[in-house]
Parts: sequence; C-alpha cells; structure tokens
Amino acid sequence: KAGVTQTPRYLIKTRGQQVTLSCSPISGHRSVSWYQQTPGQGLQFLFEYFSETQRNKGNFPGRFSGRQFSNSRSEMNVSTLELGDSALYLCASSPGQADTQYFGPGTRLTVL
Amino acid sequence: GNSVTQMEGPVTLSEEAFLTINCTYTATGYPSLFWYVQYPGEGLQLLLKATKADDKGSNKGFEATYRKETTSFHLEKGSVQVSDSAVYFCALRVINNDMRFGAGTRLTVKP
Repeated sequence: KAGVTQTPRYLIKTRGQQVTLSCSPISGHRSVSWYQQTPGQGLQFLFEYFSETQRNKGNFPGRFSGRQFSNSRSEMNVSTLELGDSALYLCASSPGQADTQYFGPGTRLTVL
Repeated sequence: GNSVTQMEGPVTLSEEAFLTINCTYTATGYPSLFWYVQYPGEGLQLLLKATKADDKGSNKGFEATYRKETTSFHLEKGSVQVSDSAVYFCALRVINNDMRFGAGTRLTVKP
C-alpha cells in the first residue's frame, strides 16, 4: 500500500497570506490527524477528522482550520499567516480513531 | 489529563553501546503506547507499540515493555548502530482522544 502523502513538501509564504496543505491517507484509513512540529514546542496536535467530521481539536487559534472529504483526503488551511506559523506540518492516518497512526513526510512551511 | 514524559537528550553513544530512553506516562483510561522515530527531513515512523499491560513491543532490535505498575514504556536496544541516530518520540493514545507525544530524545551514535 502507498503511504501517507502530503503536498506540497515545501512552501514559502509571507505574513498575512493564507495557505492550504493537503494530505492523502493510506487507502482504507478513515481517520486523519494533523500536527505542528517546531523546535520550541515539539509536536502539537491540531485536529483529527474521522468520516468527514472533526472529532478532536487542539489548542490552536481559529486561523487554523481543516476538513476531510468523502474519500478521506484532508486539507488544512491557515489564514493570516504569522511568522510563528513556520513549522513542519505532519499528517497522520489510521484505520479508526483508536488505532496506530502512520505519518506522512510533512510539509515544511516557512513564513517570511 | 493524558501526557508523556521522556528523558531529555541529547544522548550520545558509541557504536555497539546499550541504549535506554526512559518514558513515563499519565493517562485516564487504558492507553496504547508507542515509540516513533524521526530521521532528518522526514516524518515520524512507527518503531513499535504495545496495547495492554505487560505487552512487549519489538522491532529492528528495539524493545519496550508496557509497565502499568510503574506507568513506563522505556525503549531499549542492546547494540546501537550509527544508522540508529535519529530523534525518538514516546507517545500514548487513549480511545477517542488525540495522540500525545513526549518532547523527543535526540540520539547520536558515533562510530
């Protein structure tokens, strides 16, 4: 089976812009989670989607949003980018909500 | 709440040395426990997991045992290689909750 894929792999934006990141889960997986990874804060949970519904949400401002489509693919959006949003954004998929998560390679976002 | 504490790094070892990375957890409910590894420029890879008390997860010479009495899941390897240099994350997940990760431990193995 193909693994979790994320696009794009690298992205450079400027403050105030918005960005959309995409994640395609492993075939058959219905749960997709998103994480932000930074050197200072480590891995922080953003949100989890299961069957197109947001099931859990981390402690991030409303500028961070996401959605899941009927084919389980997911997107996350960050509006009004700030310098502090520069990070590696990781997507993980699992068959169900309590199962092992499998991670994609991440999208490296740099905000200038 | 649910949380994971793992030993701070960095850890530097010589090739063939014994490795232990400590991990303890706090959880409401019955968590599954995981170790993930991250190589430079990559996402996280599942290394091993254990889903109930006294289970031992193992993979590629790494082992960890789910100890409910000490709320621990320490990672061990008998003989590390240069290729094991990476960042290691301990994590837990309780059903219907998000996965919680430790801060990560950077391991460097020198030839």
